[in-house]
Amino acid sequence: GAVVSQHPSWVICKSGTSVKIECRSLDFQATTMFWYRQFPKQSLMLMATSNEGSKATYEQGVEKDKFLINHASLTLSTLTVTSAHPEDSSFYICSARIAGGRETQYFGPGTRLLVL
Amino acid sequence: EDKVVQSPLSLVVHEGDTVTLNCSYEVTNFRSLLWYKQEKKAPTFLFMLTSSGIEKKSGRLSSILDKKELFSILNITATQTGDSAVYLCAVSLDAGNNRKLIWGLGTSLAVNP
Repeated sequence: GAVVSQHPSWVICKSGTSVKIECRSLDFQATTMFWYRQFPKQSLMLMATSNEGSKATYEQGVEKDKFLINHASLTLSTLTVTSAHPEDSSFYICSARIAGGRETQYFGPGTRLLVL
Repeated sequence: EDKVVQSPLSLVVHEGDTVTLNCSYEVTNFRSLLWYKQEKKAPTFLFMLTSSGIEKKSGRLSSILDKKELFSILNITATQTGDSAVYLCAVSLDAGNNRKLIWGLGTSLAVNP
């Protein structure tokens, strides 16, 4: 149980394009999902908290106009990296918390983004 | 500022050894402490601890929390090469519905055959 999927797993794109990453909870409902970024050999960096039906809460230093988050249903949140640049290349991971459950976060497999 | 500190940062052992990973924290409004294992992809959940002195156990892995001294340990006995991974510790804050996690930097464990 508590399976989270992410799509795509790998993205290579040109500078200036936008990339959408999907995060789905497959066997549970998630009112709250989290988006993280991770650089090589570093820990997880929380970018934003996504709540179903409301605006995401962004961490300090994360540009909300660049990283658009939509949590339209209890099983789906999307992160769109707009006008991507090489410095946006990273490993993006989402996690989800079971609606009405405890604070354990279940992670998706991650998306590796490479911007050329 | 809320922080979670893990030690050691890196550890190399031989198969069969027992290892102890440490996680200390300084946070306001502590709710729980979680351990995750991260191999090449995203972290997988191991344990959640909320009460002091109660050991959580799963196979060769076990963990305990000390809320007075503000730390937790993760023990792995009879290590195997498949235990090689980064072990992440995170603390959940009791701060509204979001309850975000404060993450440590992780301990990178390498188990050699």
